[in-house]
Amino acid sequence: DVKVTQSSRYLVKRTGEKVFLECVQDMDHENMFWYRQDPGLGLRLIYFSYDVKMKEKGDIPEGYSVSREKKERFSLILESASTNQTSMYLCASSFSSGKRSPLHFGNGTRLTVT
Amino acid sequence: GESVGLHLPTLSVQEGDNSIINCAYSNSASDYFIWYKQESGKGPQFIIDIRSNMDKRQGQRVTVLLNKTVKHLSLQIAATQPGDSAVYFCADPHSTLTFGKGTMLLVSP
Repeated sequence: DVKVTQSSRYLVKRTGEKVFLECVQDMDHENMFWYRQDPGLGLRLIYFSYDVKMKEKGDIPEGYSVSREKKERFSLILESASTNQTSMYLCASSFSSGKRSPLHFGNGTRLTVT
Repeated sequence: GESVGLHLPTLSVQEGDNSIINCAYSNSASDYFIWYKQESGKGPQFIIDIRSNMDKRQGQRVTVLLNKTVKHLSLQIAATQPGDSAVYFCADPHSTLTFGKGTMLLVSP
């Protein structure tokens, strides 16, 4: 089975801190994604990557950046955390180029910014 | 813009009943759809998918129906169990990588 592992289950950070959320997948998937999930808003795409060192903006990239130096690892960076970035963050990966492939999700990181 | 959306935010059923969760899409070119299940405290998990050359696909206790004429798909769960309680998402990866809000299925004994 595909395993997508997010490094932290819960994080509490202060406003203005730089925050790193790490995600690793073990199935050699080309594609990786970062979402945030908020009540009433569903899952919203922040950034995604189709290959090492490549990144594409999703629907809500503002305030975030990403890094993909290795195929198996995709990091989400909050340059200066703000309280409106308190959310559940979900990482996902998928196999093959194109879009006709299911996403495999990690179990999420619940980030609280105080 | 193009979108995929579920019809009801919450569906309450009795254990043993059949559940039907509906979803509409707007992109006529969409040819692949996925249903996910998200249990509390977990990430979404793939349940079943369907390609547009099919009208129906069955899995274990789940069936997905696709009506391309009215751009509608549904997920049917037979003999619903308490373990089926979750939020269900339909996804159209051709149109967007963003998911809708999902339908919460509540199963009461």
